[in-house]
Amino acid sequence: AQKITQTQPGMFVQEKEAVTLDCTYDTSDPSYGLFWYKQPSSGEMIFLIYQGSYDQQNATEGRYSLNFQKARKSANLVISASQLGDSAMYFCAMRVAGNQFYFGTGTSLTVIP
Amino acid sequence: NAGVTQTPKFRILKIGQSMTLQCTQDMNHNYMYWYRQDPGMGLKLIYYSVGAGITDKGEVPNGYNVSRSTTEDFPLRLELAAPSQTSVYFCASSYHADQPQHFGDGTRLSIL
Repeated sequence: AQKITQTQPGMFVQEKEAVTLDCTYDTSDPSYGLFWYKQPSSGEMIFLIYQGSYDQQNATEGRYSLNFQKARKSANLVISASQLGDSAMYFCAMRVAGNQFYFGTGTSLTVIP
Repeated sequence: NAGVTQTPKFRILKIGQSMTLQCTQDMNHNYMYWYRQDPGMGLKLIYYSVGAGITDKGEVPNGYNVSRSTTEDFPLRLELAAPSQTSVYFCASSYHADQPQHFGDGTRLSIL
């Protein structure tokens, strides 16, 4: 069975500090993709970062990086230098064979001034 | 560019009624998706399409139907609405399965 797990319902971080949001996944497909999306309180879904299962290096996009540990089946999101605008829900998602997508239940991040 | 446009933004239905949620994208994306998001939960895939004339089921397809007659449009049909279908529905599109998905603003649907 395909599964995405986010075990942190809520996280707090001080402004300008770094924070790690956890994501573990379970699939038997050799080829898969991992995504992180941000959902502010306004409700829209915003793409942050992508990691392919065959990518050798961890993905980075500006202040976002993905700590991909294939053997442990984890794909944690690291946000550096947190900003007040980073306060939002963050969802980890997985694409498996047949273009099926699975989302985790999300982590609510609050950045404290 | 408008991106992904969903209509309506809000709708209240009575049990047993039917309706179509509209989704249009102007980015010439081949891949289109319909998700539902229940309160406090992540998104669940209802149906997806990899091109005009091709659709396939996602994780939670029961009670829904889709069609893809053009690249731009991917409507979602609810037949015989049930309270369990109360949710926020998101349409999304992408160039490829491993490319970022662009989401619409969502449709908040209540079935009473």
